[in-house]
Amino acid sequence: AQSVTQPDIHITVSEGASLELRCNYSYGATPYLFWYVQSPGQGLQLLLKYFSGDTLVQGIKGFEAEFKRSQSSFNLRKPSVHWSDAAEYFCAVGAGDDKIIFGKGTRLHILP
Amino acid sequence: KAGVTQTPRYLIKTRGQQVTLSCSPISGHRSVSWYQQTPGQGLQFLFEYFSETQRNKGNFPGRFSGRQFSNSRSEMNVSTLELGDSALYLCASSQSQGYGYTFGSGTRLTVV
Repeated sequence: AQSVTQPDIHITVSEGASLELRCNYSYGATPYLFWYVQSPGQGLQLLLKYFSGDTLVQGIKGFEAEFKRSQSSFNLRKPSVHWSDAAEYFCAVGAGDDKIIFGKGTRLHILP
Repeated sequence: KAGVTQTPRYLIKTRGQQVTLSCSPISGHRSVSWYQQTPGQGLQFLFEYFSETQRNKGNFPGRFSGRQFSNSRSEMNVSTLELGDSALYLCASSQSQGYGYTFGSGTRLTVV
C-alpha cells in the first residue's frame, strides 16, 4: 500500500536561513510526487510535482525538491526562507489512476 | 479561469442529521477527489470520481457517499452525523493524476 511519512511535525528556522523538509514514501511503482502548502483556513496549493525526467524539480515561491529513488525520498528545499513561508507543508504520492495519499504535514515556523 | 468552488464554507449540524457538500471543479477537469482534514488524522482520502464514476474509495464508513454529475460537479453526503465528523472537507480537481490537484478552500463542518 502506498504511504507517505513526514518525520518532522514542526520545524522552526530563522528568516533568511535555508530550509529542508523531509518526505519518505512507499509505493510499488514509479510514483508521482507532490508538495503542497496550506495557509491557515485555506485549501492546499501545489508547490511542485515530479512524475518523470529530471530528479530535481523547481516549483513556485523559490522551492525545489529532489527525487531520490534509492532512498524513497522527495525532500523539499528552499535556500532562504521568508516570513511569509510560515505554513503547513504536505508531501503526497500517487500514480496512474491511484488515489493521491498525503503525509501528515510539517508545520513551518519562521523566527524573525 | 475560476478555481475550485466549495459550498458552503461553514456548516453547523446536530448529531444524527445529514449534510450535503458541493464542489464545482475547474472547467475541463473531469476528476474530483474529496478529503477529510482533522488535526489528529491529517488529510484522509474519501473518494475520487472521474466522468461520473467512483474510481477510488478510502476507508470511511458507508455513511459517507458521493456522486458526480455530467458537468463534473460533485457532491458528498454524510448521513447520521457524529461528533467525530467535525472536520474541514476539501475537494480537489485535476485533469489527470500527473498534473496534481487544485484544491478548493474547503467546507468547515462542525457537528454539535
